[in-house]
Amino acid sequence: AQSVTQPDIHITVSEGASLELRCNYSYGATPYLFWYVQSPGQGLQLLLKYFSGDTLVQGIKGFEAEFKRSQSSFNLRKPSVHWSDAAEYFCAVGAKGGSEKLVFGKGTKLTVNP
Amino acid sequence: ETGVTQTPRHLVMGMTNKKSLKCEQHLGHNAMYWYKQSAKKPLELMFVYSLEERVENNSVPSRFSPECPNSSHLFLHLHTLQPEDSALYLCASSPGGGRPETQYFGPGTRLLVL
Repeated sequence: AQSVTQPDIHITVSEGASLELRCNYSYGATPYLFWYVQSPGQGLQLLLKYFSGDTLVQGIKGFEAEFKRSQSSFNLRKPSVHWSDAAEYFCAVGAKGGSEKLVFGKGTKLTVNP
Repeated sequence: ETGVTQTPRHLVMGMTNKKSLKCEQHLGHNAMYWYKQSAKKPLELMFVYSLEERVENNSVPSRFSPECPNSSHLFLHLHTLQPEDSALYLCASSPGGGRPETQYFGPGTRLLVL
């Protein structure tokens, strides 16, 4: 069964600084990978996804993520963080050839200092 | 109205009450999901419906009873809940088809059980 690890529970960055949120997955074959963002009191919104092809994926709000098969990672990056990026970020994995089910990580809470 | 909507947004109930959560999707999707999100816990998948048929039930207590009368509507009937059931309940939908796809989330219902 697939699993997802987000090693950082909480990250604090200054506005304008770069950001990298880590995600490691466990799955035997090529996974379907997702990053979602959740603002307080809201549902989850898709930032980007990887199914196949180019391993560097661009998403909304200036985010990108890179799939590295050798490291079983799908880290999320943004070159310059804005105060409005403060939220919780979830990585998720789905099994190719499996059901519609996604497995989510525990999330990383991002705080942005002015 | 577009996307995935959930009502009510907030609910307070006693342990002996019966209430229902409603989810509606306007995306033409065939799969719908209920998740439970508690503080300091990962997102827990509760139920999955595909083409109105329940395809997954993750060992959820019987005091939670889902209903999917058609592909656009999903209910979660609640009865004799416990205080530990207080959480944010999220509904999601996806195109379906038996493989992982982007799930679109509603804003959630914040439930407090007294």
